[in-house]
Amino acid sequence: RKEVEQDPGPFNVPEGATVAFNCTYSNSASQSFFWYRQDCRKEPKLLMSVYSSGNEDGRFTAQLNRASQYISLLIRDSKLSDSATYLCVVNNRGNTGKLIFGQGTTLQVKP
Amino acid sequence: DAGVTQSPTHLIKTRGQQVTLRCSPKSGHDTVSWYQQALGQGPQFIFQYYEEEERQRGNFPDRFSGHQFPNYSSELNVNALLLGDSALYLCASSLNGPDYGYTFGSGTRLTVV
Repeated sequence: RKEVEQDPGPFNVPEGATVAFNCTYSNSASQSFFWYRQDCRKEPKLLMSVYSSGNEDGRFTAQLNRASQYISLLIRDSKLSDSATYLCVVNNRGNTGKLIFGQGTTLQVKP
Repeated sequence: DAGVTQSPTHLIKTRGQQVTLRCSPKSGHDTVSWYQQALGQGPQFIFQYYEEEERQRGNFPDRFSGHQFPNYSSELNVNALLLGDSALYLCASSLNGPDYGYTFGSGTRLTVV
């Protein structure tokens, strides 16, 4: 079983749609959680950290359920520029630890 | 503000050859991690260097080795290249301590033929 699992998609949605991505992780001792965005043939870039209380950044909302070991990302009012691969990432040991990436979920927003 | 710099950007090697990839961390960062990203997959952790020592290692064979220099820059060496080593190799730098965050370089795309 992979440590971090995501549905690879692709998710094809029209502009303005709301789309949700989910992710599960296997290590209950995991400490930090993130969503990264990766454009085609580019490096991953931090989209947002994920906190137990849930957090929002503009059109993006992230949720963490530690009991279910489940992380989600909601994108509202999708833009063409949101088209990318979204990587669910877990870190078990703070900044001394490795980042564990999911396979990524591909989003294609169409006009 | 210089971010993470990796070189070269692209590389083509033949099976059995050896390769060295280089990484200069973001200014002020002292920790360097290397990741391998195969096509269609998420990045996989290779190892992490701090204070010129390998601090953690992922599930990669001994053909993968590295080094960190006193100026915090790092090298990744891969010996006896296999076709399956073809991937995007990413370097991430960070500052040791609580979650200060990681900065990724744009990667080196290695093709083994």
